[in-house]
Amino acid sequence: GESVGLHLPTLSVQEGDNSIINCAYSNSASDYFIWYKQESGKGPQFIIDIRSNMDKRQGQRVTVLLNKTVKHLSLQIAATQPGDSAVYFCAEKGGAGDSSYKLIFGSGTRLLVRP
Amino acid sequence: EPEVTQTPSHQVTQMGQEVILRCVPISNHLYFYWYRQILGQKVEFLVSFYNNEISEKSEIFDDQFSVERPDGSNFTLKIRSTKLEDSAMYFCASKRDPGTDTQYFGPGTRLTVL
Repeated sequence: GESVGLHLPTLSVQEGDNSIINCAYSNSASDYFIWYKQESGKGPQFIIDIRSNMDKRQGQRVTVLLNKTVKHLSLQIAATQPGDSAVYFCAEKGGAGDSSYKLIFGSGTRLLVRP
Repeated sequence: EPEVTQTPSHQVTQMGQEVILRCVPISNHLYFYWYRQILGQKVEFLVSFYNNEISEKSEIFDDQFSVERPDGSNFTLKIRSTKLEDSAMYFCASKRDPGTDTQYFGPGTRLTVL
């Protein structure tokens, strides 16, 4: 079952450094993954996504890596900025092939950027 | 850039009262969702809605919950008789069509049940 008051792992980085946020997913049949950024008091904001037929995808300052062998996903943020401070969630596509699928979220990682 | 909007931003209610949370999905989107996030916890799926009917619902989405698309723009979540444990952030999300997978989230409604 779920833990009440889950304590978020925290990653603290110096401004300008690169950040790497990791996520493990559960379903080896998942074919779509997505990273969201959530700032305090706001909804999840789309960052980048990747399909299971890829192992890397790049966006603006962000890269997502997918390792299906070990069911691991990572988000790399280049030249981290203070505005990147937030909680980052990975999510995998749930459901059984239906196009009306749900997202299954991970626990989240809090990124703190030191000036 | 089009976005999902939600009202109210904060709703305070007494236990046992009915609440309706409102969402306006992105205008050309066809799939709609409600999620919730209890303070400090992960985001949890509640229900998905397509073609004017529920596609999937979670165990959380019991008989006290219902969803409706009363017109061409609004998507609502009703909790018939609120409980203390319903206190959470409720997020609406929408997805464009079967060929896309990205869900876009609204800013959320904070529900506080006293």
